[in-house]
Amino acid sequence: EVHLVESGGGLVQPGGSLRLSCAASGFIFSDRHMDWVRQVPGKGLEWVGRSLSKAHSYNTYDAASVKGRFTVSRDDSKNSLYLHMTSLKAEDTAVYYCIVSPPGFWGQGTLVTVSS
Amino acid sequence: QAVVTQEPSLTVSPGGTVTLTCGASTGTVTSGHWPYWVQQKPGHAPRTLIYDTNNKQSWTPVRFSGSLLGGKAALTLSGAQPEDEADYYCFLTCSDGRVFGGGTKLTVL
Repeated sequence: EVHLVESGGGLVQPGGSLRLSCAASGFIFSDRHMDWVRQVPGKGLEWVGRSLSKAHSYNTYDAASVKGRFTVSRDDSKNSLYLHMTSLKAEDTAVYYCIVSPPGFWGQGTLVTVSS
Repeated sequence: QAVVTQEPSLTVSPGGTVTLTCGASTGTVTSGHWPYWVQQKPGHAPRTLIYDTNNKQSWTPVRFSGSLLGGKAALTLSGAQPEDEADYYCFLTCSDGRVFGGGTKLTVL
């Protein structure tokens, strides 16, 4: 059974940094592409970034809204996906989800609040 | 970055049929966009109903189906149930990344 568990969320001041983690189990992690998606409470879903599988050279892609501030990485030896967030802004406040796709299994999310 | 468009809201009668669509500002949506359909109910995490145009998850009710229709991705619900009332998002893979549509709020009434 696939399990994705996000962690690392919390309250951070504007301009601060945070690293989110996503612990994966139930599938061969190195074979799968992984995404980060966020959702401002009460709003829609926004794709944040992607880490391709080992077979695709671990290439990463970021949304324009976070480019230069957020970095997606992974550690296949730990079956973990990461989101390194810097220069955080109030508008980055959201629930952050990791997804394995295909076929699109979601974690339960972790809340990041950027506020002074 | 591409803009993905969905109907903001739709209403379907119990037992009725409704089709949600997903268009891209860049042109025709194809299987190469690997369309996903994601359902989210209030207070819950999203979950994928359909991936790669028309593939279902183990939990996807038979009444949901995915397709390409008229240059768009489509999610058809045949025989709507009250528990299908939710927000539905399509999710496309484009040349410069992945993009969600704004979501469709589906009311079963």
